[in-house]
Amino acid sequence: DVKVTQSSRYLVKRTGEKVFLECVQDMDHENMFWYRQDPGLGLRLIYFSYDVKMKEKGDIPEGYSVSREKKERFSLILESASTNQTSMYLCASSPGSPNYGYTFGSGTRLTVV
Amino acid sequence: SQKIEQNSEALNIQEGKTATLTCNYTNYSPAYLQWYRQDPGRGPVFLLLIRENEKEKRKERLKVTFDTTLKQSLFHITASQPADSATYLCALDEENYGQNFVFGPGTRLSVLP
Repeated sequence: DVKVTQSSRYLVKRTGEKVFLECVQDMDHENMFWYRQDPGLGLRLIYFSYDVKMKEKGDIPEGYSVSREKKERFSLILESASTNQTSMYLCASSPGSPNYGYTFGSGTRLTVV
Repeated sequence: SQKIEQNSEALNIQEGKTATLTCNYTNYSPAYLQWYRQDPGRGPVFLLLIRENEKEKRKERLKVTFDTTLKQSLFHITASQPADSATYLCALDEENYGQNFVFGPGTRLSVLP
């Protein structure tokens, strides 16, 4: 089974801190995605990547950056955490074919205080 | 503007009945539509894909229809069980080649014993 592993389940950070959220997939998937999920707003795409060292902005990239140095790893960086970035963060990967859908990690619930 | 709507935020049904969830979209022309299940505090899990040229798809107790004229997909769970209680999300491919999917807000289904 494909596994997408997110480094932390719960994280509490202070305003202004630089935050790294790590995501690793083990099935050689081409595509990787970062979403945040908030009640009433659904899943919103932050950034995605179709290849190593490639990144594209999603719908809400402001305040975030990403890094994909290796195919299996896609990192989300909050340059200077703010309280409005408190959210559930979900990483996903896909092989590029729609037949298999996205495989999501379990999520990181980030609280910025 | 583009929009995906799912029939209601929450749906309660009695065990053994058929649950029907609706996904309507505006200003998209997807070639593919997917359905996911999400349990509280977890990432979504891919269930089914249906293509624009397929009217219906079945998988065990699940049935999905896709009407590109009505711009609607229906998701049915027959003989529903309390274990089917979860949030169900539809997703459609934004750029019509199956790489990048945009998600609906979800419907929270509760199957009552």
